[in-house]
Amino acid sequence: EAGVTQSPTHLIKTRGQQATLRCSPISGHTSVYWYQQALGLGLQFLLWYDEGEERNRGNFPPRFSGRQFPNYSSELNVNALELEDSALYLCASSLEVLINYGYTFGSGTRLTVV
Amino acid sequence: DAKTTQPNSMESNEEEPVHLPCNHSTISGTDYIHWYRQLPSQGPEYVIHGLTSNVNNRMASLAIAEDRKSSTLILHRATLRDAAVYYCILWNAGGTSYGKLTFGQGTILTVHP
Repeated sequence: EAGVTQSPTHLIKTRGQQATLRCSPISGHTSVYWYQQALGLGLQFLLWYDEGEERNRGNFPPRFSGRQFPNYSSELNVNALELEDSALYLCASSLEVLINYGYTFGSGTRLTVV
Repeated sequence: DAKTTQPNSMESNEEEPVHLPCNHSTISGTDYIHWYRQLPSQGPEYVIHGLTSNVNNRMASLAIAEDRKSSTLILHRATLRDAAVYYCILWNAGGTSYGKLTFGQGTILTVHP
């Protein structure tokens, strides 16, 4: 069974540009979660999508947005990039919300803003 | 969100059992206890979770205190591959926490050959 796949693995952008990160969940998983892991700050919850809808959002500005497609894959968009957006962005998927199962994480996209 | 307290770091020897403690004195009756670990340069990996009873799976065991104010993740025979940051997380199905796991700083486990 293929795991959660994220692309690209590395991304370098200039301050002010936009970044698009992609995530394919495990087959059959309908929920996708996005986390940011910046150096020294730990894992911060960004967004949760389920059945194409945004269900929950972390404490991040609106320039962080995303969407989930009919095949349950997801995109995270970060507009007007700032230097502090440099981080590892992790995507996870689950079969159902956390009562009977845990998340499965991908290996992440390393975003560097210069 | 109810908070958890874990030691910053622990050390173990290979092939010995490891007991990773977690205190959660403000846990509510509907908080699930989740454990994840993160190996260097990888995304976190689900280990185990439970609500009230002790749980076992192929990776580990979770021992939950009778009053649920603490729990222990047990790795029965540590290997070098178990060296990671271990996160103890409380998750509640209700309210603003739905669908969201809040990661703390975790315990850095070092395994010596």
